[in-house]
Amino acid sequence: AQSVTQLDSQVPVFEEAPVELRCNYSSSVSVYLFWYVQYPNQGLQLLLKYLSGSTLVKGINGFEAEFNKSQTSFHLRKPSVHISDTAEYFCAVSDPYSGNTPLVFGKGTRLSVIA
Amino acid sequence: GAGVSQSPSNKVTEKGKDVELRCDPISGHTALYWYRQSLGQGLEFLIYFQGNSAPDKSGLPSDRFSAERTGGSVSTLTIQRTQQEDSAVYLCASSRSGRLSNTGELFFGEGSRLTVL
Repeated sequence: AQSVTQLDSQVPVFEEAPVELRCNYSSSVSVYLFWYVQYPNQGLQLLLKYLSGSTLVKGINGFEAEFNKSQTSFHLRKPSVHISDTAEYFCAVSDPYSGNTPLVFGKGTRLSVIA
Repeated sequence: GAGVSQSPSNKVTEKGKDVELRCDPISGHTALYWYRQSLGQGLEFLIYFQGNSAPDKSGLPSDRFSAERTGGSVSTLTIQRTQQEDSAVYLCASSRSGRLSNTGELFFGEGSRLTVL
């Protein structure tokens, strides 16, 4: 079964600084990878996804992630964060050949942007 | 509606009572999922419905938890004899079906926050 590890439970960062949120998944032949964001008191919304093709994926709000198959990683990055990026971020994985099996989520990383 | 709708948004109950949480998925989405979000635990898969197939109940934590989906649309998650450890946010999500069209993208509701006193 797939699993996802988010190495940092909390990441504080100053406004306008760069940030990287780390995600590693268990090895598989093929995977779909996702980052979801949850703003305070809201549901999760998709930030970006990797299905195939280019390993650098760009998402909403200036975020991007890079799929690294050899390191089984899918780290999320933003070159300059804003206060409004304060939220919880979840990495998730699915097996594209297993139909609609549920996404497996990591435990989340809480990003706190400090003014 | 345009998105996944969940009700109630907040529910406070006493230990031992039964609760029902409702989810109305996006129209046309045949796959429906329930997840539980507890503090520091991330999202825990509970149950998954796909069309008319038997649901995948592998994530249900105990036999006090059950869910049904009527008419392939609205779903109800029922927790019997609630315990304090059931306190969490229960999230519902839906997605399109079909292996070729499945990108795994889920659309989430805002959740039902359950507090068991």
